[in-house]
Amino acid sequence: DAGVTQSPTHLIKTRGQQVTLRCSPKSGHDTVSWYQQALGQGPQFIFQYYEEEERQRGNFPDRFSGHQFPNYSSELNVNALLLGDSALYLCASSLAGTFTGELFFGEGSRLTVL
Amino acid sequence: GENVEQHPSTLSVQEGDSAVIKCTYSDSASNYFPWYKQELGKRPQLIIDIRSNVGEKKDQRIAVTLNKTAKHFSLHITETQPEDSAVYFCAAPFTSNTGNQFYFGTGTSLTVIP
Repeated sequence: DAGVTQSPTHLIKTRGQQVTLRCSPKSGHDTVSWYQQALGQGPQFIFQYYEEEERQRGNFPDRFSGHQFPNYSSELNVNALLLGDSALYLCASSLAGTFTGELFFGEGSRLTVL
Repeated sequence: GENVEQHPSTLSVQEGDSAVIKCTYSDSASNYFPWYKQELGKRPQLIIDIRSNVGEKKDQRIAVTLNKTAKHFSLHITETQPEDSAVYFCAAPFTSNTGNQFYFGTGTSLTVIP
């Protein structure tokens, strides 16, 4: 059973650039959530995608956008990168309609902005 | 959304002793509370969870207690072992029509001293 996979695992960008991160959910899952985890902090909710639409959004600027494809995979895009965007970006998948909506996390994409 | 506070931020215990981590939440409608363990460089993984209709749940050396009136829940680890050393996160949900959206505490770094 394939778990949540993310790519790339590490990347370095410079301020002002744009980045795209990718996520494939756990088999059978239909919902993808993205989290930003700064060093020494808990994961911060960015947004959630279900049925190819953004359904929930946390307190992040419009520079952060995403997409979900018909196969449930998802992308996170960040434009006009700032130094403060350096973090581990975690993708988590879940199954809508279940009581708990338990999250299964990928290993993350570590973004460094110079 | 949901506001989750977690204490302490760091905790050191001798091997064999017990460790307790506490979290409070703000949304009285929250009905499911997971705990995640994150080892260095790894993904967060669910270790135990509790639904709002019970006050305590145990799984071997790990237990979680919930006080809905006071809106707090705690993780208890007994007979700690060096492999328990990790960062632990509590989470509480904000429920939408697509299921639960989780807000995380800031984490507790647990060190078990052999």
